[in-house]
Amino acid sequence: EIVLTQSPDFLSVTPKEQVTITCRASQNVYISLHWYQQKAGQSPKLLIKYATESVSGVPSRFSGSGSGTDFTLTISGLESEDAATYYCHQSSSLPITFGPGTKVDI
Amino acid sequence: QVQLQESGPGLVKPSETLSLICSVSGASISRYYWSWIRQTAGKGLEWIGRFYSSGSIDYNPSLKNRVTMSVDTSKNEVSLKVTSVTAADTAVYYCARGGTYFLDYWGQGLMVTVSS
Repeated sequence: EIVLTQSPDFLSVTPKEQVTITCRASQNVYISLHWYQQKAGQSPKLLIKYATESVSGVPSRFSGSGSGTDFTLTISGLESEDAATYYCHQSSSLPITFGPGTKVDI
Repeated sequence: QVQLQESGPGLVKPSETLSLICSVSGASISRYYWSWIRQTAGKGLEWIGRFYSSGSIDYNPSLKNRVTMSVDTSKNEVSLKVTSVTAADTAVYYCARGGTYFLDYWGQGLMVTVSS
């Protein structure tokens, strides 16, 4: 099973800051790494697919980078509505796994 | 617009079977993979398994012997059964579209508590 680790666990930030969240995979997942945002009381929402690809309807301030085992989600110009927990997810091999999440507090 | 809705009992007794249905609108069940995922405070997001209408099914080995997924194409529904439940199966259960790639649509989730 591929284990995903995220850092940091928690971020307290102010609006307009730039936020960087990292996800590290225990094995090579190529670019089969995706990012989700989950707000309190809601289901996860797809933000970035295949490490770098944008998703229709997601603000352009969200971007992703990386390949192999190291990935980054960047939020440029944080807005108050971005308060949420962010998860990475790998679909390279079964079982599908998720990172433990990074909570962003604004 | 694709929408998914989980339904089923919110309370299940220990040792019994948890049965959930995911009703899908806006997309054909036959054309995609569909996954079940659960979320607990302690273990985070856990993928349960995925189903394709052709009969291709994959389960998480951590649950494999207790899980069954199936599809009713006439109703555009995917179902999940988990047998011999314990308190550890208490979670919010989600269905989502996808399973070989990203998960692009999710249901709102259903809280299931295992308790006598």
